[in-house]
Amino acid sequence: GNSVTQMEGPVTLSEEAFLTINCTYTATGYPSLFWYVQYPGEGLQLLLKATKADDKGSNKGFEATYRKETTSFHLEKGSVQVSDSAVYFCALINNAGNMLTFGGGTRLMVKP
Amino acid sequence: DAGITQSPRHKVTETGTPVTLRCHQTENHRYMYWYRQDPGHGLRLIHYSYGVKDTDKGEVSDGYSVSRSKTEDFLLTLESATSSQTSVYFCAISWSDDGNSPLHFGNGTRLTVT
Repeated sequence: GNSVTQMEGPVTLSEEAFLTINCTYTATGYPSLFWYVQYPGEGLQLLLKATKADDKGSNKGFEATYRKETTSFHLEKGSVQVSDSAVYFCALINNAGNMLTFGGGTRLMVKP
Repeated sequence: DAGITQSPRHKVTETGTPVTLRCHQTENHRYMYWYRQDPGHGLRLIHYSYGVKDTDKGEVSDGYSVSRSKTEDFLLTLESATSSQTSVYFCAISWSDDGNSPLHFGNGTRLTVT
């Protein structure tokens, strides 16, 4: 079956630090990959996506590249802000299905 | 919130009581989903629906039932709540008719079973 593995948090960084949150996946076929962000008290919001190998998704300064050879989709940001503090979820949809599989989530805390 | 309303937002109930959570969408999207969110588990799919009266089980469906009598409403029922069902429940919709697109989530219902 499909599965997504994320690094465990919390990840604590100072403002303007570089962020990497690792995500690896197991899936049959050619899944589409996503990063969602959840701010306190809210539902998940789509942050970025990539639908095929070597695609780079980007939004709000965040980037992630679909690496089929390493089955990874690591999230990066060059300079984090306090407002980026949230929980980040990596997810996939297998192209044969219609259900989203999530990783366990990684909490990011950014200190001023 | 992408036109999704969940109700109630918070509920406390006792073990053994029935509970129904409601998800309402303002557009006629075909696919709707119920997830639960628990620490260390991320989000896990409980049930989903691909049309009126068309539903299917997710990975953690035991103890839950769903109904979809209208396109806009998707109900999740705990027939006899247990403490293990204390969780935050999220409804989601897919904007594509085949379900193969990013999901859009409601703001969640926090359920506590005492």
